[in-house]
Amino acid sequence: DAGVTQSPTHLIKTRGQHVTLRCSPISGHKSVSWYQQVLGQGPQFIFQYYEKEERGRGNFPDRFSARQFPNYSSELNVNALLLGDSALYLCASSLAWTGYNEQFFGPGTRLTVL
Amino acid sequence: AQSVTQLGSHVSVSEGALVLLRCNYSSSVPPYLFWYVQYPNQGLQLLLKYTTGATLVKGINGFEAEFKKSETSFHLTKPSAHMSDAAEYFCAVSPGVTGGGNKLTFGTGTQLKVEL
Repeated sequence: DAGVTQSPTHLIKTRGQHVTLRCSPISGHKSVSWYQQVLGQGPQFIFQYYEKEERGRGNFPDRFSARQFPNYSSELNVNALLLGDSALYLCASSLAWTGYNEQFFGPGTRLTVL
Repeated sequence: AQSVTQLGSHVSVSEGALVLLRCNYSSSVPPYLFWYVQYPNQGLQLLLKYTTGATLVKGINGFEAEFKKSETSFHLTKPSAHMSDAAEYFCAVSPGVTGGGNKLTFGTGTQLKVEL
């Protein structure tokens, strides 16, 4: 079975631009979470969706938004990019959003903002 | 709020030596605890997890960890390091049975180097 897939793999943008990152969960998984990993740090939670509803939001500005589609895939959108948004963006999927459900991570999208 | 502290951002061991990576957590509710490994330019792979039950948890690749509530610790060990263990290791916590979903709070990571 395919794991979590993310696209694109790498992305280069300039300050002020907009970016959309995409994630396809493992088949049968209904929850998708997004994390930001800045170089040298641990991943930071951004959003969690379950059955197309937002179930959690981390401490990120309103420039960050996300949504989940009927097929459970998800998009992360970032507006008005800043240099500090440069990071590895990780998507994780799980069967449900309760605590004992293991999260499976994708390979990430490396975003560079110039 | 939950938090994780990983002592030692870099750990170096000789091949065949014991690996010990330290993790302490802070949580107002009984947590679930996880160790993930990240190889260069890759996502995170789950090594092991503690939810309930036995406090000594065995994972993949010969790793194990022990949940010690009194010490709020969840240290990761492996009896004999292999060159292929060189990677970055992250300890993480989620809210557990009391709700709040399964979002993960990660530590800052420990880079493990294995030398010949």
